Amino acid sequence: DIQMTQSPSSLSASVGDRVTITCRASQGVSNFLAWYQQKPGKVPKLLILAASTLQSGVPSRFSGSGSGTDFTLTISSLQPEDVATYYCQKYDSVPRTFGQGTKVEIK
Amino acid sequence: QVQLVESGGGLVKPGGSLRLSCAASGFTFSDYYMSWIRQAPGKGLEWLSYISSSGSTIFYADSVKGRFTISRDNAKNSLYLQMNSLRAEDTAVYYCARDQGYVYRWGQGTLVTVSS
Repeated sequence: DIQMTQSPSSLSASVGDRVTITCRASQGVSNFLAWYQQKPGKVPKLLILAASTLQSGVPSRFSGSGSGTDFTLTISSLQPEDVATYYCQKYDSVPRTFGQGTKVEIK
Repeated sequence: QVQLVESGGGLVKPGGSLRLSCAASGFTFSDYYMSWIRQAPGKGLEWLSYISSSGSTIFYADSVKGRFTISRDNAKNSLYLQMNSLRAEDTAVYYCARDQGYVYRWGQGTLVTVSS
């Protein structure tokens, strides 16, 4: 099975900072990669599909890039409401594996 | 509006069984693949299983293969997860999800606690 590895596991940044989270697949998944945001006590929310397509209603400060094995989620200007755990997920085939998550906090 | 409502969670002893249900509304249930995803307390998301729109294609994660059974009743707009031989490590919130490869629609989740 393909493994999904996110880095870092956690990060602390200041409001307005540019934040980058990476997700690496152990084998290529083309662009079948989604990113989710999960705030404490809440259901995950889809941010990005197909590696770089922003889901409707998601702020434009979020962006995704990559293809194959290496992917990036970028928050261009971190806001207090972005405090959450972020997960990548591959969906090219089953199992639809999630990364282990990246916890984002405000410094 | 699209709704997915899970039920059936609760406290069960190790080795016991539980059946989760997910009632779907607001969309044509029979058109969509459906999945179960879980999240142990303080841990990440774990994809468990999916079932095709007709029910003819099913996949399981290795962690639950042979113990869990996914099924659906399109006439009742319902998804099910039969969980047998439960272990402490199965303790989690279980989410029903509309599977489009990625997941846009999630239920609110139902908590399953496996403990003696």
